[in-house]
Amino acid sequence: DQQVKQNSPSLSVQEGRISILNCDYTNSMFDYFLWYKKYPAEGPTFLISISSIKDKNEDGRFTVFLNKSAKHLSLHIVPSQPGDSAVYFCAASEAQGGSEKLVFGKGTKLTVNP
Amino acid sequence: NAGVTQTPKFRILKIGQSMTLQCAQDMNHNYMYWYRQDPGMGLKLIYYSVGAGITDKGEVPNGYNVSRSTTEDFPLRLELAAPSQTSVYFCASSYGLAGHTDTQYFGPGTRLTVL
Repeated sequence: DQQVKQNSPSLSVQEGRISILNCDYTNSMFDYFLWYKKYPAEGPTFLISISSIKDKNEDGRFTVFLNKSAKHLSLHIVPSQPGDSAVYFCAASEAQGGSEKLVFGKGTKLTVNP
Repeated sequence: NAGVTQTPKFRILKIGQSMTLQCAQDMNHNYMYWYRQDPGMGLKLIYYSVGAGITDKGEVPNGYNVSRSTTEDFPLRLELAAPSQTSVYFCASSYGLAGHTDTQYFGPGTRLTVL
C-alpha cells in the first residue's frame, strides 16, 4: 500500500517555463513533507520541505504548496532550467510522532528542454 | 567534509555469498539510515540507527543486518545474497532532532547485482 504517490513518472517542460510536480499521500498522520532531487549515479539531495502547519514554503525558484484537506502537495519550479533535469522524490514523515522515518514516492523524472 | 561516503560503488555477488556495505559520515550526525531503491521505485528504509549501539528495523529488513559501534560508521551486512537483493543501496545520515524530521544527507549509493 503506497502511502506516498507520485502518479506522473515523467514530465517534460521547456526552459523558462514552470514545472509542477505533484504528490499525494494517504496517511493523515504525516506532518512533514520533503522534496529530494536525484541525478543519475548520485544520491538524493534535499531540495525543500514544508511542515503541516504551513501551506506554502518558498526557496528561490522552488515553491512547495501543501493542501492538507486534499492530502496533496506540489513542487513548483519557476523558471525551469536544463540543470533541473533530474528525478524528484516526494517524501513524508510523522515528525511529531517522533518518527525519523521517511516514506518516499516513486519519483517523477523531470526533463527541461533548452 | 566528505559528507556521507559509501563503499564499494559497484559489486556483483553470486547467490548465497555474503558481503558488507560500508557507510561512514563525518558530520557528527546522530542518526543514520540504510535505504534500497529498486528500478522505478522509491527508496525503502531497511534499517536505521539513532545513535551508537542502537538500531531498529525499517520497512524491508529481511535478509540484512546492521551494527552501529561508532557514531561515524553504519555497515550493512547481507547474508546469503539472493537475486531479490539486486538494488541500489543508499546510506543517509541526519543530525537527529527529537520530535522533528530534519534533513537527511545521502551517500552516492552502492549498486549491487546478485546473480
